[in-house]
Amino acid sequence: GAVVSQHPSRVICKSGTSVKIECRSLDFQATTMFWYRQFPKKSLMLMATSNEGSKATYEQGVEKDKFLINHASLTLSTLTVTSAHPEDSSFYICSAKYTGNEQFFGPGTRLTVL
Amino acid sequence: GQNIDQPTEMTATEGAIVQINCTYQTSGFNGLFWYQQHAGEAPTFLSYNVLDGLEEKGRFSSFLSRSKGYSYLLLKELQMKDSASYLCAVRVYNTDKLIFGTGTRLQVFP
Repeated sequence: GAVVSQHPSRVICKSGTSVKIECRSLDFQATTMFWYRQFPKKSLMLMATSNEGSKATYEQGVEKDKFLINHASLTLSTLTVTSAHPEDSSFYICSAKYTGNEQFFGPGTRLTVL
Repeated sequence: GQNIDQPTEMTATEGAIVQINCTYQTSGFNGLFWYQQHAGEAPTFLSYNVLDGLEEKGRFSSFLSRSKGYSYLLLKELQMKDSASYLCAVRVYNTDKLIFGTGTRLQVFP
């Protein structure tokens, strides 16, 4: 149980385009979902916390207009990277949580912006 | 502020024991997690400590001292598949947010 999926697993796009990444909890209803980004050989950096039906809470330094988060249901959250640029290239990972202490992580999405 | 430190890299031999340390200075504390992450994959949960002491789970054990802002992950009977990054994360008080440390890349050699 407690499986989280992400789609797509890998995406390559041109500079200036927008990319949407989906995060789904497959076998549980997630009260909260989190979005992280990870640069090569670096640790995870929390970008935002997302609760179903309410606006996401962004961490300091993360542009909310650049990284749009929509938490449409208890099993789906989406991250849209708008007007992507090469510096947005990174590994984006979501996690989901219901009751209990643990966050369950998705397999990640590798974004490359050309 | 938040500051979580781990050694960047460690090496060990198959069958040996290795201890990965984590020190933290955070504005609040509500538990410490250890995750394992293989390259290009999502982190997987290893352990959770909220009270002082040692938690043992098979080959892996985790220790916490809240007064010292210190934790370690102990891996016994190392296997080649244990080569991975190990991430220490502190949960911020009164939230579900996790602040991750820099991660420790462990290489296990035959």
